[in-house]
Amino acid sequence: ILNVEQSPQSLHVQEGDSTNFTCSFPSSNFYALHWYRWETAKSPEALFVMTLNGDEKKKGRISATLNTKEGYSYLYIKGSQPEDSATYLCAFKNFGNEKLTFGTGTRLTIIP
Amino acid sequence: GAVVSQHPSWVICKSGTSVKIECRSLDFQATTMFWYRQFPKQSLMLMATSNEGSKATYEQGVEKDKFLINHASLTLSTLTVTSAHPEDSSFYICSARETGSYGYTFGSGTRLTVV
Repeated sequence: ILNVEQSPQSLHVQEGDSTNFTCSFPSSNFYALHWYRWETAKSPEALFVMTLNGDEKKKGRISATLNTKEGYSYLYIKGSQPEDSATYLCAFKNFGNEKLTFGTGTRLTIIP
Repeated sequence: GAVVSQHPSWVICKSGTSVKIECRSLDFQATTMFWYRQFPKQSLMLMATSNEGSKATYEQGVEKDKFLINHASLTLSTLTVTSAHPEDSSFYICSARETGSYGYTFGSGTRLTVV
């Protein structure tokens, strides 16, 4: 059974502050690491698909890094805004199948 | 971008009845779709992989006779929860991957409550 863990489970951040959270995953047989942003009553929105060790991707104020050798990825949000409030999910994909294994998510609340 | 539509958003049904959930890829063809289930405070768990024109592949522990999956076209997969029981109450969500893309697009999910 693949184990994908996210921490913290929840986080309250003051508007304007920067924050980050972690996703850890198996370091063997790695294929891709996905990050999603999920607002209540909406579809999970794809943020990043990361495949290469050392990869760093950026989308506006949100960025992510990947370390496949030690099995972790960080998601960073710079200058948090109320619209960043959501649950952030990571999902691990290994070679050989299409299956995504999800973490339980980090629930981020931005305090105005 | 790729869009997946899922209906209904929520459904309440009586114990013993069946419920059908639809998942449509609106602007792309999906030979493979995926059905997940999420119980409170748990992660999304893959139930089955739905293959167009062939039988679905079920994850260990998921009853194929209870969760019927039909993927009759390249844009539509359905999940039918048969003879639903209160323990089937959960959040069900589908996803699809556009050919040639790394990413998976999700529907908005269905909250099923069995009373």
